[in-house]
Amino acid sequence: GDSVTQMEGPVTLSEEAFLTINCTYTATGYPSLFWYVQYPGEGLQLLLKATKADDKGSNKGFEATYRKETTSFHLEKGSVQVSDSAVYFCALRKETSGSRLTFGEGTQLTVNP
Amino acid sequence: EAQVTQNPRYLITVTGKKLTVTCSQNMNHEYMSWYRQDPGLGLRQIYYSMNVEVTDKGDVPEGYKVSRKEKRNFPLILESPSPNQTSLYFCASSLSPGYNQPQHFGDGTRLSIL
Repeated sequence: GDSVTQMEGPVTLSEEAFLTINCTYTATGYPSLFWYVQYPGEGLQLLLKATKADDKGSNKGFEATYRKETTSFHLEKGSVQVSDSAVYFCALRKETSGSRLTFGEGTQLTVNP
Repeated sequence: EAQVTQNPRYLITVTGKKLTVTCSQNMNHEYMSWYRQDPGLGLRQIYYSMNVEVTDKGDVPEGYKVSRKEKRNFPLILESPSPNQTSLYFCASSLSPGYNQPQHFGDGTRLSIL
């Protein structure tokens, strides 16, 4: 079946450091890919998405590029802030399988001042 | 404000006592879904609904029921809750079931079944 694998956390960075969170997927067909962010005590918020190969999603300084050849969708940010501390989830969606989102396990990011 | 609203946010109850978690969205979305989030297992889909009166099982439907009588509401029903249903539950919706549509999530309901 379909699956998403994220780099293990937790990840701890200093403010203004460069962030990469790795995400790879296994899926048949042509899924869309998403990054969601979960702040403490809140639901998941869409951070960015890409719907086809070579698409780049971007939002709030975060970027990720849909790489079909490496089945990857790595999340990057050039300079993190304390307010970026959260759990980040990579996910894919296809129209089969109930059109569900298939999630990775999440990566906890802590940014220290 | 466009949102998905779940109630209650927190609930502690006992084994066997029927409970309902409500979910309502104000975005006129066709597709709605329930997920549970457990440590080490991530988020898994329980049930989904493509539209009014159309529901189907997700990955982990055992012990749950749903209904979709109106477009905006998608309640999750636990007829006889058991401790293994202690979890964090999220309702989500999207404009359509299309694979390129993001799902919008509620703030979650933390259930503890004693």
